[in-house]
Amino acid sequence: DADVTQTPRNRITKTGKRIMLECSQTKGHDRMYWYRQDPGLGLRLIYYSFDVKDINKGEISDGYSVSRQAQAKFSLSLESAIPNQTALYFCATSDPGQGDTGELFFGEGSRLTVL
Amino acid sequence: GQNIDQPTEMTATEGAIVQINCTYQTSGFNGLFWYQQHAGEAPTFLSYNVLDGLEEKGRFSSFLSRSKGYSYLLLKELQMKDSASYLCAVRDGDYKLSFGAGTTVTVRA
Repeated sequence: DADVTQTPRNRITKTGKRIMLECSQTKGHDRMYWYRQDPGLGLRLIYYSFDVKDINKGEISDGYSVSRQAQAKFSLSLESAIPNQTALYFCATSDPGQGDTGELFFGEGSRLTVL
Repeated sequence: GQNIDQPTEMTATEGAIVQINCTYQTSGFNGLFWYQQHAGEAPTFLSYNVLDGLEEKGRFSSFLSRSKGYSYLLLKELQMKDSASYLCAVRDGDYKLSFGAGTTVTVRA
């Protein structure tokens, strides 16, 4: 089983609909992130959370919101989806306090298409 | 903020060596990472540099010069399975990771 699990893996929706992407992890990491990936633009940070009570905006947070329900769960919401939010979304975790490099561990991605 | 540049595409022959360069400008530096990403899959961690110099890990090596804002990833003895996108990423003083757009490497037989 994957350590970082995203649901749904694929979703097609219509403009104006509310969408939630969920992420759960079994790695015990405090830090969680949401990125989106678009061709030619790489991964861009949407929101991040360093613990349950901490939420921070990334470089492209407009049109998105997040909820950190527990250490293991971090959800991304699109309140009113629009076509330019069509992208591949990745959740990631890290924990630099364990003496390792603090690299990100990614979920398998959620492909969202907004018509 | 971060400004991270890497070439868009590179092509090389099986068994050869390829070097992927990455330049960055950052407001605070706390490490440089290289990730590999196969099409449609999640990125996977390859290497990490926080001090100047070369880090070697099997067929892959990564180099960092902090004063020049420069890194490279060296892939030796290329195999077909190395065809992928390679992402350069810089971690800032707030522990956020910013990514370059990625370099797509195509390995030809």
